[in-house]
Amino acid sequence: DTGVSQDPRHKITKRGQNVTFRCDPISEHNRLYWYRQTLGQGPEFLTYFQNEAQLEKSRLLSDRFSAERPKGSFSTLEIQRTEQGDSAMYLCASSPLEYNEQFFGPGTRLTVL
Amino acid sequence: KQEVTQIPAALSVPEGENLVLNCSFTDSAIYNLQWFRQDPGKGLTSLLLIQSSQREQTSGRLNASLDKSSGRSTLYIAASQPGDSATYLCAVRVGSARQLTFGSGTQLTVLP
Repeated sequence: DTGVSQDPRHKITKRGQNVTFRCDPISEHNRLYWYRQTLGQGPEFLTYFQNEAQLEKSRLLSDRFSAERPKGSFSTLEIQRTEQGDSAMYLCASSPLEYNEQFFGPGTRLTVL
Repeated sequence: KQEVTQIPAALSVPEGENLVLNCSFTDSAIYNLQWFRQDPGKGLTSLLLIQSSQREQTSGRLNASLDKSSGRSTLYIAASQPGDSATYLCAVRVGSARQLTFGSGTQLTVLP
């Protein structure tokens, strides 16, 4: 399968713990995006990478959130000191440099107890 | 700020019916518009992408139209099937921004 993959698919954690999610984009896709989706809502943009450079960050991305894309391949999203309000589906998407269609992964569902 | 609205929030139809899902956006200066399907607890599957210079796109039983001047798009599903049951989301990309702005979706149920 050459689609976008995310790991883990589900994560349950206690408030105050740190969590890290991984996204593997479609091979050779230069652009990688992170979105967050809460129940009954559409996804909301968090941040965007072009190759290894993080070019945009939403105001939703508080200083407890950090994202990286070393070597322009996979990306990680870390949430420090998790809060119950962080409970959501975290979605990763990628797209080729030349085109605009975004392809999404299956998401990581985070539950903060 | 771009806002995207989808009406209705939920729709239930009998199998075989043709149906239309609506999407409206406030900023007409869009780069493109993308329709997605989302099954419960799953990620998003891209259905159709319409560039700002296009009026419509077709894929199988799906047809999406775009009217930039009025800030509207529709997704037409012909001969609906129970397997079409899902949430349908539209999203727009505005100008030089890289991210998509999504509506809240229409939850479609096709009854056998």
